[in-house]
Amino acid sequence: AQSVTQPDIHITVSEGASLELRCNYSYGATPYLFWYVQSPGQGLQLLLKYFSGDTLVQGIKGFEAEFKRSQSSFNLRKPSVHWSDAAEYFCAVGAPYNNNDMRFGAGTRLTVKP
Amino acid sequence: DGGITQSPKYLFRKEGQNVTLSCEQNLNHDAMYWYRQDPGQGLRLIYYSQIVNDFQKGDIAEGYSVSREKKESFPLTVTSAQKNPTAFYLCASSTLIYRGENTDTQYFGPGTRLTVL
Repeated sequence: AQSVTQPDIHITVSEGASLELRCNYSYGATPYLFWYVQSPGQGLQLLLKYFSGDTLVQGIKGFEAEFKRSQSSFNLRKPSVHWSDAAEYFCAVGAPYNNNDMRFGAGTRLTVKP
Repeated sequence: DGGITQSPKYLFRKEGQNVTLSCEQNLNHDAMYWYRQDPGQGLRLIYYSQIVNDFQKGDIAEGYSVSREKKESFPLTVTSAQKNPTAFYLCASSTLIYRGENTDTQYFGPGTRLTVL
């Protein structure tokens, strides 16, 4: 079964600085990869997803992620962080053609300093 | 306005009680899911359903039950057999592959926070 690791539990960045959140996955083939964001007490909102094709994926709110097969990674990036980006971010990996087998990382909490 | 609704937002349970969490979607999605979220952990799958009147256990189904009598609705009952039910519960839905859409994407409701008193 697939698995996903988010090595950073908590990250603090200054507003306007760049951001990179790490995600490493384990899966025997090319997985489906997702990034979700969760504000306190809220559900998860999809930021972006990778199924196939271009390995650089653009998402909402100015986020992007790059799939690197050789590193089994799917890191999330944003060139300039806004205070409203403070939230918890979850990476998820899914098995293609199997909606029911999605695995989530433990999350990375992002704090944005003014 | 399409989406997934969960109610109530907050729920309190006394020891020995069963409680039911509601999840409704108007996205015409086939599949629905229930997850449990604990602090510092990712989401863990409790139950899922791909079609009306059918559902499957996830990784942590013990102490929970579900029903799927309508496509739009997938209520979760937390029974007294669940020894540590205090958590944040998230419902999600998605379409299915056989529809020919590349949509292995799950969309989430706003969640219900359950606290045992």
